[in-house]
Amino acid sequence: QITLKESGPTLVKPTQTLTLTCTFSGFSLSTSGVGVGWIRQPPGKALEWLALIYWDDDKRYSPSLKSRLTITKDTSKNQVVLTMTNMDPVDTATYYCAHKKRFSRSDAFDIWGQGTMVTVSS
Amino acid sequence: DIQMTQSPSSLSASVGDRVTITCQASQDISNYLNWYQQKPGKAPKLLIYDASNLETGVPSRFSGSGSGTDFTFTISSLQPEDIATYYCQQYDNLTFGGGTKVEIK
Repeated sequence: QITLKESGPTLVKPTQTLTLTCTFSGFSLSTSGVGVGWIRQPPGKALEWLALIYWDDDKRYSPSLKSRLTITKDTSKNQVVLTMTNMDPVDTATYYCAHKKRFSRSDAFDIWGQGTMVTVSS
Repeated sequence: DIQMTQSPSSLSASVGDRVTITCQASQDISNYLNWYQQKPGKAPKLLIYDASNLETGVPSRFSGSGSGTDFTFTISSLQPEDIATYYCQQYDNLTFGGGTKVEIK
């Protein structure tokens, strides 16, 4: 059974760097075809994909946020870490990590964490 | 960047009705499109992947079709538990559509 859980601060100040950790179980990020992504959702708004890391350490980033994002993996700890620099109140959102479905040509996310709410405020 | 236009943004239908949601891509994306369901306060759930493949465990009243630039998501017979917001997502930049909120009339 695959599970994922996000952790990190609930409140960050403007200009600070946000670091979120996704801790997962039930799969290995060293297995071919596997990936973990981050997606966020501001209150009352649509989903926004942020980043995706693959088993081979290939990475994809949202073009509009690429300069602010870094995604890394620690296979031994079963963790994926997302950092976002220069946080702004518009970055207030629920942040989700999700498992990329193996053998999906379109990188579908089939298992999601519960999400963690991050508020950006001074 | 490829843009996704999802419509309608909301709809109201009766139990048992056929419901259709569309997503249009600004460029050809082959069949690289997924559909998700999100209920209030919950994480999204994958329903359809690669345009037309039903995710394991998802009821067969849900279906997806299309390729290229035009895609359709259908609920063949709306049920009360289908009240949710539905999103399409394309592969190029993994962009999500704006969502369609489905309500019961």
